[in-house]
Amino acid sequence: GAVVSQHPSRVICKSGTSVKIECRSLDFQATTMFWYRQFPKQSLMLMATSNEGSKATYEQGVEKDKFLINHASLTLSTLTVTSAHPEDSSFYICSASPPTQGEVNTEAFFGQGTRLTVV
Amino acid sequence: GQQVMQIPQYQHVQEGEDFTTYCNSSTTLSNIQWYKQRPGGHPVFLIQLVKSGEVKKQKRLTFQFGEAKKNSSLHITATQTTDVGTYFCTSGTYKYIFGTGTRLKVLA
Repeated sequence: GAVVSQHPSRVICKSGTSVKIECRSLDFQATTMFWYRQFPKQSLMLMATSNEGSKATYEQGVEKDKFLINHASLTLSTLTVTSAHPEDSSFYICSASPPTQGEVNTEAFFGQGTRLTVV
Repeated sequence: GQQVMQIPQYQHVQEGEDFTTYCNSSTTLSNIQWYKQRPGGHPVFLIQLVKSGEVKKQKRLTFQFGEAKKNSSLHITATQTTDVGTYFCTSGTYKYIFGTGTRLKVLA
């Protein structure tokens, strides 16, 4: 199956600093990628939809100035957590899919996830 | 907005017992996908259902899409320790909204 690579897998940063997470689709072009956040023992919460060449679409309650998304190419989307605080500590995970056929979603391929700890 | 609820939230079973998780929506779904996330891992696609009343099988796993396309189920026959993980359903035409998930523990 298709491969989505996410980097880094773990990061520890100091409060107030910014952290960039990369998500790459390795063997297909992804015009759209998705960023999720997952707290322990909870579901994946969709944060935003990353659109290649245009602004990301953020879900309600997600601060766009806090979580900067850039999708500069068809194979790379980045999520930057700016001025991170301990409450931003979480598991961040991206996904991408080959182009949708009609109105039916295709299989989503997930990155390995990034465990962010802000100290 | 669209909400997908899953029940139960947790399930502990003895190895060899069957397990079922249910996914329910208040609105008609265009499709349903099921994913499995192992502890510490990322979600992995299991299957997609599109047609009303559709039933698909993968070895010990049976997936069903309701006639009204508002609910779905995943049934595992004779669970094994390798079935441990969280099972999520998701649906959407453009973006993937995940259900609340069912965490399965299998006791050897």
